[in-house]
Amino acid sequence: QVQLVQSGAEVKKPGASVKVSCKASGYTFTGYYMHWVRQAPGQGLEWMGRINPNSGGTNYAQKFQGRVTMTRDTSISTAYMELSRLRSDDTAVYYCARVTSNYVGDNWFDPWGQGTLVTVSS
Amino acid sequence: SSELTQDPAVSVALGQTVRITCQGDSLRSYYASWYQQKPGQAPVLVIYGKNNRPSGIPDRFSGSSSGNTASLTITGAQAEDEADYYCNSRDSSGNHSWVFGGGTKLTVL
Repeated sequence: QVQLVQSGAEVKKPGASVKVSCKASGYTFTGYYMHWVRQAPGQGLEWMGRINPNSGGTNYAQKFQGRVTMTRDTSISTAYMELSRLRSDDTAVYYCARVTSNYVGDNWFDPWGQGTLVTVSS
Repeated sequence: SSELTQDPAVSVALGQTVRITCQGDSLRSYYASWYQQKPGQAPVLVIYGKNNRPSGIPDRFSGSSSGNTASLTITGAQAEDEADYYCNSRDSSGNHSWVFGGGTKLTVL
């Protein structure tokens, strides 16, 4: 079955960087964009950006431009999201999600990884 | 960039019908997708496209759209439907970006 498995929880100090991984299985990794979404404690979902696993091309939300880098390793079907210059308000659960598109341009996020809690604290 | 607006909270009596709405300019161009999230769990897709349910989602969940408003309807709400619900669509402003609504907390009474 299609599955996304993320790396474990992280605790980082302000100013540091964190790199979260998302290993895909059950489908052709290069055939679907991978998106990253985060959720701060008690808050809603926030879209961060996406990567084309085939070409490596990326699009980032304006809010994260300059701080986020999304990469992939096709040999192990894994996508990565690295966030730098961490602040306390970056404390959140970070999710990867495979996105499917249809011929009219609709998109949907399915499945999602289990989430990775990143805690930023001094 | 576009925004999607949802009511923060909605309640429904057990077995009754509830509609959760999502408003935004991007919905004039794209259908919304809808996600259910229970505490401590990852979101789960419940509706996508014009009105499509993934395998395993009960048929009491349905979607519709008119103008700049998308709706998720639960016909005969069950206790297990109590959750947060989020809408999502692609941003229609020309940027390659996506946007989520702020979420609606559904309480089943």
